[in-house]
Amino acid sequence: EADIYQTPRYLVIGTGKKITLECSQTMGHDKMYWYQQDPGMELHLIHYSYGVNSTEKGDLSSESTVSRIRTEHFPLTLESARPSHTSQYLCASSWLLNEQFFGPGTRLTVL
Amino acid sequence: DQQVKQNSPSLSVQEGRISILNCDYTNSMFDYFLWYKKYPAEGPTFLISISSIKDKNEDGRFTVFLNKSAKHLSLHIVPSQPGDSAVYFCAASANTDKLIFGTGTRLQVFP
Repeated sequence: EADIYQTPRYLVIGTGKKITLECSQTMGHDKMYWYQQDPGMELHLIHYSYGVNSTEKGDLSSESTVSRIRTEHFPLTLESARPSHTSQYLCASSWLLNEQFFGPGTRLTVL
Repeated sequence: DQQVKQNSPSLSVQEGRISILNCDYTNSMFDYFLWYKKYPAEGPTFLISISSIKDKNEDGRFTVFLNKSAKHLSLHIVPSQPGDSAVYFCAASANTDKLIFGTGTRLQVFP
C-alpha cells in the first residue's frame, strides 16, 4: 500500500482566494508529480519534481505553482483561485522509472 | 491530439465472465504501458504493466496484451468480480517517467 497523502480531500472556496494543496509521501521517493483531472477526461501532468529544489512545468499549462523544499513534501499553490480551476488534483510519487503511486486526490470547487 | 485513446467510455460485464478493456496509441516511441484502476473519490492504483519488448504480461486474474504493429493493448480480467467495478486508465511512456493517460473506461461487473 502506497503511503502518499493529500489534504484537504475536498475544498470549496470563493474566487480570488489563495489556496495550498498539500501532498506528502513517506516512501522516500525522489520523483513527485501533480496531475489535474476533470470528470471523464484523462489525467494531465501540470507539475513534476525530480528532487529537492527541482520543479518543472508539465504538459498542461497551469496557473498554479509548486515547491519542493523537502523530499517528502510537494505542495501546490494557487495565488488567486478562479472557477476555471475547479477540478480534481492528484499527487503522485515514484522511485522506478514508470510506476507512479497516487494519493487520494483533492477535489477543488471554486465558486 | 490524444496520444492514448480509450474509445469505450463504459463496459458492463456479468460476474464470472471475462472483461476486455482496450487502449490504442499513436506514438510509436512509447515503450512502456501501464493500467491503473480508480475507485470514486480515490486516486488511481497501479494494476499491471508491460514493456514493449513483450507482448503479454500476466498477474493473477489480470493479463495485458500488447500488439505493437496495431498500436493496441488490452487488459483482460478473468473471472470478473463485482469488486473490479471501477474506472480503468491506460497510460504510456516513451523512455521517460512522464505518463500519458487515456480518458478511462468505466467497468461495471454485475451479479
